[in-house]
Amino acid sequence: KAGVTQTPRYLIKTRGQQVTLSCSPISGHRSVSWYQQTPGQGLQFLFEYFSETQRNKGNFPGRFSGRQFSNSRSEMNVSTLELGDSALYLCASSSGLTQETQYFGPGTRLLVL
Amino acid sequence: AQTVTQSQPEMSVQEAETVTLSCTYDTSESDYYLFWYKQPPSRQMILVIRQEAYKQQNATENRFSVNFQKAAKSFSLKISDSQLGDAAMYFCAYLNAGNNRKLIWGLGTSLGVNP
Repeated sequence: KAGVTQTPRYLIKTRGQQVTLSCSPISGHRSVSWYQQTPGQGLQFLFEYFSETQRNKGNFPGRFSGRQFSNSRSEMNVSTLELGDSALYLCASSSGLTQETQYFGPGTRLLVL
Repeated sequence: AQTVTQSQPEMSVQEAETVTLSCTYDTSESDYYLFWYKQPPSRQMILVIRQEAYKQQNATENRFSVNFQKAAKSFSLKISDSQLGDAAMYFCAYLNAGNNRKLIWGLGTSLGVNP
């Protein structure tokens, strides 16, 4: 099976812009979770989508949003970018049912100038 | 709230030797999962090993094994016969059972392997 894919791999944006990141889970997986990784805060959970519904949410401002499509692909959007949004954004997929293990994509590295 | 603590920011080991990475966690739940993930310089997060809290037997995966002490809330990773390719950041992570898919992470241990 193909692994989790994320696009784009690298992004450079300026403050105030918005950005959309994409994640395609492992075939057959219905759950997609997003994490932000920064040197200062480590890895933090953003949200999880299962069958097109947001099932869990972390403690991030409303500028961070996401959605999931019927083919389980997910997108994450960040509006009004701030310098502090510079991070590695990781997407993870799991079956969302009895299998708890999350498998990660290669990440999208976002730099906000 | 659950927390995960990795008290060793950096460690090093000689090639072919054994090293143990420490992890402690705090939770009031009885049913949960624990994971070790490896993140090499490529930044790809790779699952190393997983442990279900209801299982008393420690998980093993080839050269990787864990020492799971549920009462002490300790979950250490042992790497035997260390190889140069084992050099990476290692993260300990906790996950509640059920529909809460929020992984809670330690800050990581940077492992160097000396030839």
